[in-house]
Amino acid sequence: RKEVEQDPGPFNVPEGATVAFNCTYSNSASQSFFWYRQDCRKEPKLLMSVYSSGNEDGRFTAQLNRASQYISLLIRDSKLSDSATYLCAVHTDKLIFGTGTRLQVFP
Amino acid sequence: SAVISQKPSRDICQRGTSLTIQCQVDSQVTMMFWYRQQPGQSLTLIATANQGSEATYESGFVIDKFPISRPNLTFSTLTVSNMSPEDSSIYLCSVEDQGGRAYGYTFGSGTRLTVV
Repeated sequence: RKEVEQDPGPFNVPEGATVAFNCTYSNSASQSFFWYRQDCRKEPKLLMSVYSSGNEDGRFTAQLNRASQYISLLIRDSKLSDSATYLCAVHTDKLIFGTGTRLQVFP
Repeated sequence: SAVISQKPSRDICQRGTSLTIQCQVDSQVTMMFWYRQQPGQSLTLIATANQGSEATYESGFVIDKFPISRPNLTFSTLTVSNMSPEDSSIYLCSVEDQGGRAYGYTFGSGTRLTVV
């Protein structure tokens, strides 16, 4: 079983839609959790950290469920500019990435 | 966040040759990390580079193939040795955010390597 698993997508959604990504992790000792955004031919950039209490940044909401060992990212009111690959990352003694979920928002 | 300068940004190399990738950070950091991202894949950690000690390699990666230098707290190099087409990939260096690992990692802009 992979340490961090994501649905690779692609997710094709219209502008204004709400889309959710999930990511599961296998190591219960994992300490920190993140969502990264990667645009084509660019390096990953931190989108947001994920806390047990859940956290929100504008249209983006991240949640952590330690009991079920998954994290989620919700994007509301999708914009064309949200089109990218979204990578979850889990930190134990090192930062491990999921395979990424491709999102394409269309007009 | 730390600012990382990585070079070269891209290169096309002949098989059997070696390429050294450099990363310069604008602040002192204890650990630097080297990742590989193969076409259409996610990031895989190659090794962790600590200043003053041998790098720690992940399973499937060896020092002879990917020697790493870490001469000081702001600089590291990764060499891809005796390259084959299978080494064609994007190589990225990263550091923990200055706020600590709980704040995520910052990445260099990557080196896109094509081996022909």
